[in-house]
Amino acid sequence: EAGVAQSPRYKIIEKRQSVAFWCNPISGHATLYWYQQILGQGPKLLIQFQNNGVVDDSQLPKDRFSAERLKGVDSTLKIQPAKLEDSAVYLCASSPLPEPYEQYFGPGTRLTVT
Amino acid sequence: QKEVEQNSGPLSVPEGAIASLNCTYSDRGSQSFFWYRQYSGKSPELIMFIYSNGDKEDGRFTAQLNKASQYVSLLIRDSQPSDSATYLCAVIQAGGSYIPTFGRGTSLIVHP
Repeated sequence: EAGVAQSPRYKIIEKRQSVAFWCNPISGHATLYWYQQILGQGPKLLIQFQNNGVVDDSQLPKDRFSAERLKGVDSTLKIQPAKLEDSAVYLCASSPLPEPYEQYFGPGTRLTVT
Repeated sequence: QKEVEQNSGPLSVPEGAIASLNCTYSDRGSQSFFWYRQYSGKSPELIMFIYSNGDKEDGRFTAQLNKASQYVSLLIRDSQPSDSATYLCAVIQAGGSYIPTFGRGTSLIVHP
């Protein structure tokens, strides 16, 4: 069974530029999560999808971040414009159920904003 | 503000010893508790979860939950150098949305 795929793996941009991350969850997994993990901290949930609907986006900085999940499968997370404090690893995870009893993470995208 | 607290460590134990990792949480309504392992530069991977008071064992790992005291712990028996990693605690509150809140993790070093 293929795991959660993410791309790109690394990205370096200047502040005020825009960037997009892509995630392909495990086949059949209805729930998809985007997390931000800053160095030395635990992952912080940005947005959670159930199929193509948003379950929670209360911690998503909506003035600069946006996310969508087309047809309940792939998802993209966009930052526009980026700030220095957005430097982090962006993790995508998926789960077959709404509860994360079987939650699998992708390899992450390491973003550096200069 | 719902908080999940972990000592950042590092916790250093000799090979073969029991490693004990602790996590406290602020929301009494929390219903499910998860332990993840994260190797340096890698993504978290789920070790186990617990939702009832008491102990839950899975191989060398035992999760312990005490809802009255609002803490959950992870014991690793016969620790191996390959167990050296950061261990993340995550908590889900009751209410149906299943939003996980993570602690900052405890770094464990198992030395030969």
